[in-house]
Amino acid sequence: NAGVTQTPKFRVLKTGQSMTLLCAQDMNHEYMYWYRQDPGMGLRLIHYSVGEGTTAKGEVPDGYNVSRLKKQNFLLGLESAAPSQTSVYFCASTYNPGRALGPLHFGNGTRLTVT
Amino acid sequence: KNEVEQSPQNLTAQEGEFITINCSYSVGISALHWLQQHPGGGIVSLFMLSSGKKKHGRLIATINIQEKHSSLHITASHPRDSAVYICAVRQGGSEKLVFGKGTKLTVNP
Repeated sequence: NAGVTQTPKFRVLKTGQSMTLLCAQDMNHEYMYWYRQDPGMGLRLIHYSVGEGTTAKGEVPDGYNVSRLKKQNFLLGLESAAPSQTSVYFCASTYNPGRALGPLHFGNGTRLTVT
Repeated sequence: KNEVEQSPQNLTAQEGEFITINCSYSVGISALHWLQQHPGGGIVSLFMLSSGKKKHGRLIATINIQEKHSSLHITASHPRDSAVYICAVRQGGSEKLVFGKGTKLTVNP
């Protein structure tokens, strides 16, 4: 089992460029999440998905789009990158055994710099 | 005010010391998670609990639902325990977690 795999690990973009971050999980998890982590702040939810073909907005969705065409993949897109999107991005997945939510499994993160 | 508050923000200890990290939250929850973020950046789930106490090796997590408080204890701390410890809560039936800002622990040899 690879768990949760994020690609790429690092990326530098110029303002206005676009890119897609890929998250893949092989645990058959229904729930997948994209977070960003900035210094001095907790993990903040960008978008999430509770199943194939469904997505929902989190706390900080502006400037990002997502798609979940296949259960194992969750893509995060930046259409026109801005310096404020410089951050470390984490993908996570879990299952939902009733009320508790299963433990979260995280990818290793993508460090994105927008100049 | 953040819904999830952790204390202390930073903690330095000597090897062998008993460590306590606290997490307080202001909303009703169905579960609380403790996570560890290594210096290299990777995040792993340590515990998920909704009542009582859980133990894994030298780590113990407790939760008091009435007081809206959880603690993470590390016994016989070791330099390899140096990491950021993050508390996160799930509100009711929400699919989302709310995260604290983390506690940075440094254990010196």
